[in-house]
Amino acid sequence: GQSLEQPSEVTAVEGAIVQINCTYQTSGFYGLSWYQQHDGGAPTFLSYNALDGLEETGRFSSFLSRSDSYGYLLLQELQMKDSASYFCAAPNSGYSTLTFGKGTMLLVSP
Amino acid sequence: DTAVSQTPKYLVTQMGNDKSIKCEQNLGHDTMYWYKQDSKKFLKIMFSYNNKELIINETVPNRFSPKSPDKAHLNLHINSLELGDSAVYFCASSPVGSDEQFFGPGTRLTVL
Repeated sequence: GQSLEQPSEVTAVEGAIVQINCTYQTSGFYGLSWYQQHDGGAPTFLSYNALDGLEETGRFSSFLSRSDSYGYLLLQELQMKDSASYFCAAPNSGYSTLTFGKGTMLLVSP
Repeated sequence: DTAVSQTPKYLVTQMGNDKSIKCEQNLGHDTMYWYKQDSKKFLKIMFSYNNKELIINETVPNRFSPKSPDKAHLNLHINSLELGDSAVYFCASSPVGSDEQFFGPGTRLTVL
C-alpha cells in the first residue's frame, strides 16, 4: 500500500514563499502529483514529478527526491486566491488510481 | 464545455434509501473513477473503470455499485444508505497513461 504524510496546515502572508512537504511510503513508486482544492470545489491538477528534480510552472514548482521518499510544492508570490487545500498523491501501480495525502490547508493572509 | 459533470450537486436523503449519482465526461478519456471525500477532507479511491470495465474496486461495501453504460459515463448507485455514507463523492477521468486526473464538481451526499 501507499501512505503519504503532509502537514495539516500552513499559514503565510501575501507575497511570501511557502513550501508544503510530502513524505511517502509506497510498495512501488511511480511519481508524485500535486492537486489544489478550494473550499467547496473540485481537486485540480497542479503538477507531476516522475523523476528527481524541480518542475516549474509559473508561480508553482514541485520537487521530488526519490532517494529520500520526499517531495514538496513551492508556491511563490503568494496571493489570497492561493488559500486552498493542497494534496500530494501517488499513482497505485499501473492502474493510475491515486492515493492521496490528507491535505495541507494553506491560509494566506494580507 | 468540455468537462466532467456530475448530477446532482447536492443529495439529502434518509437512512435506508437507495440513491444514484451520475457522471459524464466529454473529454474522450478511457478511464473513469469514483472518489469519496469525508468530512476531514480525506480523498479515497473507490472504483476505477477503463473503457467500461471495472479495473479497481477498493474495500467498498457492496451496497455501492458502479455502472458504466459507455466509456463516457460512470454512475454510482448506493443501496440502503447509512449515516457514514455522508461525504462528497467525486467522479474523475483521465486518458490512458496520463499523469493528470480531471475531477467533476462533486456531489455532497447527506444521509439523515
